[in-house]
Order: sequence, then structure tokens, then C-alpha cells
Amino acid sequence: DAGITQSPRHKVTETGTPVTLRCHQTENHRYMYWYRQDPGHGLRLIHYSYGVKDTDKGEVSDGYSVSRSKTEDFLLTLESATSSQTSVYFCAISELGIGETQYFGPGTRLLVL
Amino acid sequence: AQSVTQPDIHITVSEGASLELRCNYSYGATPYLFWYVQSPGQGLQLLLKYFSGDTLVQGIKGFEAEFKRSQSSFNLRKPSVHWSDAAEYFCAVGENQAGTALIFGKGTTLSVSS
Repeated sequence: DAGITQSPRHKVTETGTPVTLRCHQTENHRYMYWYRQDPGHGLRLIHYSYGVKDTDKGEVSDGYSVSRSKTEDFLLTLESATSSQTSVYFCAISELGIGETQYFGPGTRLLVL
Repeated sequence: AQSVTQPDIHITVSEGASLELRCNYSYGATPYLFWYVQSPGQGLQLLLKYFSGDTLVQGIKGFEAEFKRSQSSFNLRKPSVHWSDAAEYFCAVGENQAGTALIFGKGTTLSVSS
């Protein structure tokens, strides 16, 4: 299995509070991605990174920001959490970033009350 | 724009019976195609992938998939389903362009009856 960890694995927070999710990889892959998974929607891309300090928006980026200061870490921040951001968040990594295989972390289950 | 359609939201198959999960994609060129499986509460595990070459690809856990360009399909098959195959299955498409992410279908939930 690819070395990908996510923290925290579960979080409950209140509307309006900031939340940061962390993805850590030990594979030295260049590309990292954040997806959210919701019933009936599959996985949707939030943001991705193609290198240290290089990031871009995905399909559902509103309300989220990301940062990548080291190759191994990719942070997802909800600046002011809303109930619509209750979801399961998955981090993924890939080596070449050209649509080839992505490897997924175990996920973070976030509940915004 | 790319898209992936998994027409079946939920399928129930008897243990030991054969399985086929459907996936149709929309993409102009030859895509990269994937099937992932997700067990409850778990992350996604790659079952198999198609990049080029032989259109019938073998994956883990006895799964296979066939790429049919004329039908824009990449259906997943297994000759004999085991109870442990109960999970959610996602088809995904990627393109040969730097910086692109995978586009996922909405998933098919497989239940296995005894």
C-alpha cells in the first residue's frame, strides 16, 4: 500500500470554525489531490498540487484553500466550515499527474454541526 | 469535457454468480481507465487500469475489465462473486495531460446474497 496518512480521521466541528485536514505521504510523489465524497456524487476534486507551493482548483473548490510547503504534506483548510462541507475527504497522490494511477489515503470523516 | 456514467446505482448478486458492472465514459481521445473498490469505511483501492494495448485487462481479486472503444465502455466483470466482494465500485477516467485529476463515476454498490 502507498504510504499515505490523513489526520484527523474523524472530526466534529461547529459551523463557522476553521478546520485543517492534513495529508502526509512517504512516496515522494509530485502530485497530491484532495477529493470529497458524498452519497450520489462519487468523488469530486477540490484542489490539487503539482509541486511545492504549486496548487490549482478543482471542480468544487469554493470554501476551501490548500497549502503545500513540503513535498510530503498537503493541507486542506475550510476557512469557515458550513454544514454543506460535511463529507468524507480523501487525499490522493500520483507520480506523474497525467491521469495515471492515483493512490488514496484512508479518508477523514468531517461532520459540521 | 470528460464524464463517466455508471448506470447502476445498486446491484445484488448471489454468491457464486457472475458479475458485470457497467461504465461508460465520454472523452475524445483514448483515455486512461480505472476501476477502484471501496469497502465500508475504507479508502479506495485500485482494482485494475487500462492505458493502452490489450483491451482485456486483469486485475486483483479475480476481476477483469474490457475496453470497448466503439461503445465507450469499460465494464468490470468477475466470473464468480464472493461475499467479500460486497463494496462500492467506482469507475474513473483520466487523460494524458499534465495536471489533470481523475473523473469518477458516482459508483455502484454491490450487495452479495447467500
